[in-house]
Amino acid sequence: AQSVTQPDIHITVSEGASLELRCNYSYGATPYLFWYVQSPGQGLQLLLKYFSGDTLVQGIKGFEAEFKRSQSSFNLRKPSVHWSDAAEYFCAVAPTDSWGKFQFGAGTQVVVTP
Amino acid sequence: ETGVTQSPTHLIKTRGQQVTLRCSSQSGHNTVSWYQQALGQGPQFIFQYYREEENGRGNFPPRFSGLQFPNYSSELNVNALELDDSALYLCASSLRLAGGNEQFFGPGTRLTVL
Repeated sequence: AQSVTQPDIHITVSEGASLELRCNYSYGATPYLFWYVQSPGQGLQLLLKYFSGDTLVQGIKGFEAEFKRSQSSFNLRKPSVHWSDAAEYFCAVAPTDSWGKFQFGAGTQVVVTP
Repeated sequence: ETGVTQSPTHLIKTRGQQVTLRCSSQSGHNTVSWYQQALGQGPQFIFQYYREEENGRGNFPPRFSGLQFPNYSSELNVNALELDDSALYLCASSLRLAGGNEQFFGPGTRLTVL
């Protein structure tokens, strides 16, 4: 069965420290891959996406993600976290033959401490 | 360029009632998808509309139905509301084309069923 797993439900990080959020997927073929961020009471904002090509993807707000085909992973990273990065982060995948039918992970809640 | 908008922002209904949620797609987009996000979970795909036809459905019962209008705005209708229908309902629009299917999400409608 197709699945998207975010192993970490909750992560606490100090401001200025680095952050890495994990995402693993199980699909028949490499899907399209996305990371979204959701602040409390808000909709989803796209951070970055991977369709094909360079496996290191740059996004907004200083985030980047690396696609590793051998590990079926698409981990999100940020070198130095700001207090405003506190939010919930969702990894999403979509089959390449499907239009907008995303499957989301359960999310990772990021807390930033001073 | 106007983004994706949804109305109403919040809604309170009682069990057994019916509800209609509305979404206006981003200008130029011809595909709309609806998602249900229960508290503490990732969004779940409900269904998608492309050129006014349903184009895929997730694991939701028939009492969840939708419409897409010629101007690509959309409605989500839920009949015989149940307590478990309480959730944030997200609408996402995209332009169907080859090479990728980025979606843009609206802010959501928070539905509470009492």
